[in-house]
Order: sequence, then C-alpha cells, then structure tokens
Amino acid sequence: DQQVKQNSPSLSVQEGRISILNCDYTNSMFDYFLWYKKYPAEGPTFLISISSIKDKNEDGRFTVFLNKSAKHLSLHIVPSQPGDSAVYFCAASVGAQKLVFGQGTRLTINP
Amino acid sequence: DTGVSQNPRHKITKRGQNVTFRCDPISEHNRLYWYRQTLGQGPEFLTYFQNEAQLEKSRLLSDRFSAERPKGSFSTLEIQRTEQGDSAMYLCASSSYFSGSSYEQYFGPGTRLTVT
Repeated sequence: DQQVKQNSPSLSVQEGRISILNCDYTNSMFDYFLWYKKYPAEGPTFLISISSIKDKNEDGRFTVFLNKSAKHLSLHIVPSQPGDSAVYFCAASVGAQKLVFGQGTRLTINP
Repeated sequence: DTGVSQNPRHKITKRGQNVTFRCDPISEHNRLYWYRQTLGQGPEFLTYFQNEAQLEKSRLLSDRFSAERPKGSFSTLEIQRTEQGDSAMYLCASSSYFSGSSYEQYFGPGTRLTVT
C-alpha cells in the first residue's frame, strides 16, 4: 500500500513562474514531512521540512504547506529557475524513524 | 568533504555472486539508514541503526541481505547470492537523533548495482 503519493509524474513550468508540487498521504501517524530534490546519478538532497504541528514553513524560494485534514502537502518554488529542474520527492516519517517516499515528480523549468 | 560517502559508486556482478557496499556517515550523526531505489520509484527503506544497534529491518530485506555497523561509525550492506532483481541504486543516509533534534536525513551519492 502506497502511504505517500505524488500523483503527477511530471510538471513543466516557465522560468520565473511558480512551481507547485503536490503530495498526498494516508497514514495519520506521520508527524514530519520532508521534500528532497534529486539529480540523475546522485543521492537525494534535502530541501525543506515541516512538522505536523505547523501548517507552513519557508526557506528562501521554497515554501511547504501542510493541510492535515486533507492529508496533503505541497511545495511552492518561486520564482522557478532552470537549476530547479530535477525530480522532487516528498517523504514522511513517524517519530524520526524511517522515511516513506512518494514516487517523485519530474520538474522541468523552461527558459 | 563532510557529507555521507558511499563506496563503490558502481558495481557490476554476475548472478549468484556476493557483494558488499560501504557507507561512511556524517561524523557526528548517530543514526544510519539504508534505502533501495529502482527506476521510476522513490527510495524504499531497508534498515537503520542507532549507533551500533540495528533498530528496524524492512520485510524487503530478505535473508540474503545483512547490514552491520560494528563500531557505530561506518556501515556495510552485504547481499549474498545476488539475483537480477537486486539491481538497483542502494542509498545510505545519516541523521543526528537527540531529544529535540530535527528529523532530516542526509543522503550519500548511492551505489548503483547491476546484476547480470
């Protein structure tokens, strides 16, 4: 059973515009959520995280929103830059243990 | 370089052979995780250690897989009698787990295993 789902395999956005990546989860025990960025042949790079006691966290161009009632989180990147082109994974954990990942969304930023 | 390192980066082996991968975590991190990633999927959890104690193993980890972290520093993941289905990217991550700490895990570059 897929506890973390990213339903959009790919997303294409114009440079300078906002990129919005979405993630849904089913396990209400998850208390920490993270976004990772991955380039080919490299390991995932941590981007931003949010605890379940918050509904928003910002770090520069990246903002993560958490809607616990809908079991939904999203990552906003604004403005989008060509270097943001990569595969983005959302992940969730219960109590700082293993991460459960979604399938990933490939983001392409077009000039 | 103070990040997570993994060796080798690539391994090609024949079916039935044994392979061993090594992970060196960020030096002050007490937790170490192993994940496996196949094409088009997100990483899947295999096992993790806190210091030298192995705290959890996934059902994905068959009897052919064994992991150790003997002195609470580096870790090894061994696969015995490799099968073609073992072909994947094996990722190691580490984190610093103490009361009140954050939960971020930092990943190494991975070891790409190809079983022919």
